[in-house]
Amino acid sequence: EAGVTQFPSHSVIEKGQTVTLRCDPISGHDNLYWYRRVMGKEIKFLLHFVKESKQDESGMPNNRFLAERTGGTYSTLKVQPAELEDSGVYFCASSSQSSGNTIYFGEGSWLTVV
Amino acid sequence: GIQVEQSPPDLILQEGANSTLRCNFSDSVNNLQWFHQNPWGQLINLFYIPSGTKQNGRLSATTVATERYSLLYISSSQTTDSGVYFCAVERSMDSSYKLIFGSGTRLLVRP
Repeated sequence: EAGVTQFPSHSVIEKGQTVTLRCDPISGHDNLYWYRRVMGKEIKFLLHFVKESKQDESGMPNNRFLAERTGGTYSTLKVQPAELEDSGVYFCASSSQSSGNTIYFGEGSWLTVV
Repeated sequence: GIQVEQSPPDLILQEGANSTLRCNFSDSVNNLQWFHQNPWGQLINLFYIPSGTKQNGRLSATTVATERYSLLYISSSQTTDSGVYFCAVERSMDSSYKLIFGSGTRLLVRP
């Protein structure tokens, strides 16, 4: 069974540009999450989808961040325009009741804004 | 919000040594997971353990939910165990499956 996959694994962009991160959850997982770890800080929750609906987006830092999950399968997280403080690792995760609510993480997308 | 504290923050071991990592949390939880972030940045699930004890090879974990702590035991450590170990919890009162992470324990195992 394939795990949570994320693309791109690394991205370097200039301040003011746009970046879109993609996440493919484990097949059949209704719950999809985005987390991030900026340098020197803890891993922080961004938002949670149940299928295509946003269940909780309390962790989204500001309106430069837009997450979508059209059709309830893969998700995208767009940062526009990117700022220097957005640099860090963006993790996607998924879970389902059948997984015993264990949350499985992807390998992360490393974003560097210069 | 719930506080998750991990100790020690840093740990250096000689290969073959044993260690215990601790995670304290300040509220009732219905999910607790241990993760290992390897030097390549990958976040690997180790245990889903809201209560009780589990073992997987050289690793084992115990959560005492009533006393609000969890322990991760690493026996016969290997250099590949190096990385950051995170404890993360989901508060019982939260309707969303939102994990709150501790700041991690950075482990270096020397050959």
